Amino acid sequence: AQKVTQAQTEISVVEKEDVTLDCVYETRDTTYYLFWYKQPPSGELVFLIRRNSFDEQNEISGRYSWNFQKSTSSFNFTITASQVVDSAVYFCALSEAQNRDDKIIFGKGTRLHILP
Amino acid sequence: SAVISQKPSRDICQRGTSLTIQCQVDSQVTMMFWYRQQPGQSLTLIATANQGSEATYESGFVIDKFPISRPNLTFSTLTVSNMSPEDSSIYLCSVQAGRGGYTFGSGTRLTVV
Repeated sequence: AQKVTQAQTEISVVEKEDVTLDCVYETRDTTYYLFWYKQPPSGELVFLIRRNSFDEQNEISGRYSWNFQKSTSSFNFTITASQVVDSAVYFCALSEAQNRDDKIIFGKGTRLHILP
Repeated sequence: SAVISQKPSRDICQRGTSLTIQCQVDSQVTMMFWYRQQPGQSLTLIATANQGSEATYESGFVIDKFPISRPNLTFSTLTVSNMSPEDSSIYLCSVQAGRGGYTFGSGTRLTVV
């Protein structure tokens, strides 16, 4: 069965600090997809990234970077030089390729507070 | 990527009544997904809706409580039936989008009084 664990319920950092959000997943599939979503206070879900299980290259997009390590089943998300606008709830999610319904399962989310 | 129009954006309903939520997608999609997000919680998948077949419900969700329609490849509705205060949540629909991600509707914030 698939499972996503975000152990950090809530994090507060001061603006301009770097912060890493942890995500650990469980799956029996060899092919799967991992996602990160941002949910700002307005409530909409913003897609940030998808990574497939065969691509362990780390990715950087501006101040955002993702570290995918299959050996530890982790897909961590780092925000560099955080800004107040980064304050949101961040969800990690998993989809198994063998799942014909293509459904994704979300972690419980990490609420990030960036303090000015 | 697909754009979803979801409505209503919010509603306050009396217990015992039903509310139907609509999602319209600007392109044809095979599957649509319905999620519930209870206050301060994560998203929980309610069901997957394929056009032309009955929706597939996740454990803990039943068709009598959450009937779903999927009349064509661009539209779906979710009804929350016989509502109680415990049904107060945000309900979201979702479809697969470009870049391999999933696009979500803006959500329906439901309060049952």
